[in-house]
Amino acid sequence: AQSVTQPDIHITVSEGASLELRCNYSYGATPYLFWYVQSPGQGLQLLLKYFSGDTLVQGIKGFEAEFKRSQSSFNLRKPSVHWSDAAEYFCAVVGVGGANNLFFGTGTRLTVIP
Amino acid sequence: DAGVTQSPTHLIKTRGQQVTLRCSPKSGHDTVSWYQQALGQGPQFIFQYYEEEERQRGNFPDRFSGHQFPNYSSELNVNALLLGDSALYLCASSLAGASYNEQFFGPGTRLTVL
Repeated sequence: AQSVTQPDIHITVSEGASLELRCNYSYGATPYLFWYVQSPGQGLQLLLKYFSGDTLVQGIKGFEAEFKRSQSSFNLRKPSVHWSDAAEYFCAVVGVGGANNLFFGTGTRLTVIP
Repeated sequence: DAGVTQSPTHLIKTRGQQVTLRCSPKSGHDTVSWYQQALGQGPQFIFQYYEEEERQRGNFPDRFSGHQFPNYSSELNVNALLLGDSALYLCASSLAGASYNEQFFGPGTRLTVL
């Protein structure tokens, strides 16, 4: 069965510092992987996705993620964090069997210190 | 172009009552999925509707039911509400296809069960 683990519940970084959010997945085949961001009181916004091909994926708002099959990881990175990046971040994988549903991790809350 | 819309924004119910949540998909989309996001958790897949039928279901009891209308809008019904049903309910729409198509999320309905 598929699953997603986000080991860090809460991360605090200073504005301008680099960021890496961890995501590990369990999946029987080549996964479709996603990172979403959720601001307070808001729905989910897609930051980036990986289906196949280049393992380094570029997304919106200056985010990127790297798919590492050997480590079953899909970590999200940003070189320089802005105060507006403070939010909840979710890693997700598509369900098996041709399904169109998403399995989400428990999320990482990002706090940005001025 | 309006995105996914949900109503109401907030809802307060008491245990044992029934509730109906509504979702209008993004223009051009024909598939609607519902997710439950408990406080501090990632969204969990409830079910998905396509062509007015439930196409796939997550691990939720029969108290959770849904409907899709000919205009692709959808309702989520929850009967015999429990305190544990308090959550943010997210609707996502997508376009059906042979492979995975991006889901677009609405802002959610916050349900509080007292």
